[in-house]
Amino acid sequence: AQSVTQLDSQVPVFEEAPVELRCNYSSSVSVYLFWYVQYPNQGLQLLLKYLSGSTLVKGINGFEAEFNKSQTSFHLRKPSVHISDTAEYFCAANQAGTALIFGKGTTLSVSS
Amino acid sequence: EAGVAQSPRYKIIEKRQSVAFWCNPISGHATLYWYQQILGQGPKLLIQFQNNGVVDDSQLPKDRFSAERLKGVDSTLKIQPAKLEDSAVYLCASSHRLAGERDTQYFGPGTRLTVL
Repeated sequence: AQSVTQLDSQVPVFEEAPVELRCNYSSSVSVYLFWYVQYPNQGLQLLLKYLSGSTLVKGINGFEAEFNKSQTSFHLRKPSVHISDTAEYFCAANQAGTALIFGKGTTLSVSS
Repeated sequence: EAGVAQSPRYKIIEKRQSVAFWCNPISGHATLYWYQQILGQGPKLLIQFQNNGVVDDSQLPKDRFSAERLKGVDSTLKIQPAKLEDSAVYLCASSHRLAGERDTQYFGPGTRLTVL
């Protein structure tokens, strides 16, 4: 069975610092990987996705993630965060046409 | 392109009452999902539709939850009777390609349900 583990429940950082949000997955078959962001009282917005091809994926708002098959990881990175990046971030995985399996989320708090 | 629409945005009910949520997916999206997001957790699938047929409802508590997608477009999710543990955000998502192909799910704003 698939599972997604987000290794950090909370990540506090200062504005303009780099950040990495960690995600590991387990699956016996090929999966597709996603990162979503959720701002307070809003739905989920897609940041980026890995379906196939290049293992380095670039998304919106300056975020990127790297798919590492040997380590079964899909960590999210941003070289310089802003106050507006404060939100809940979810890593998710699925197989084609199936529902997403989500991690428990990581709260990113950016302070000045 | 309009996104996934959901209503109401907020709902407060007493336990044992019934409640219904509505979702209008992105135009042309064949697949529709309902997820339940309990506070502090990631969303979990309740039911997946392909056009107006059910693909996966294995995690839907069928003794109290029901869902339908008439004409393969709008969908409603109902809870009857509600329990305290049903307090959560109910998210609707849709995707373009038919099940079995690669796709990306787009989410609505959600309905926050509070059961007192």
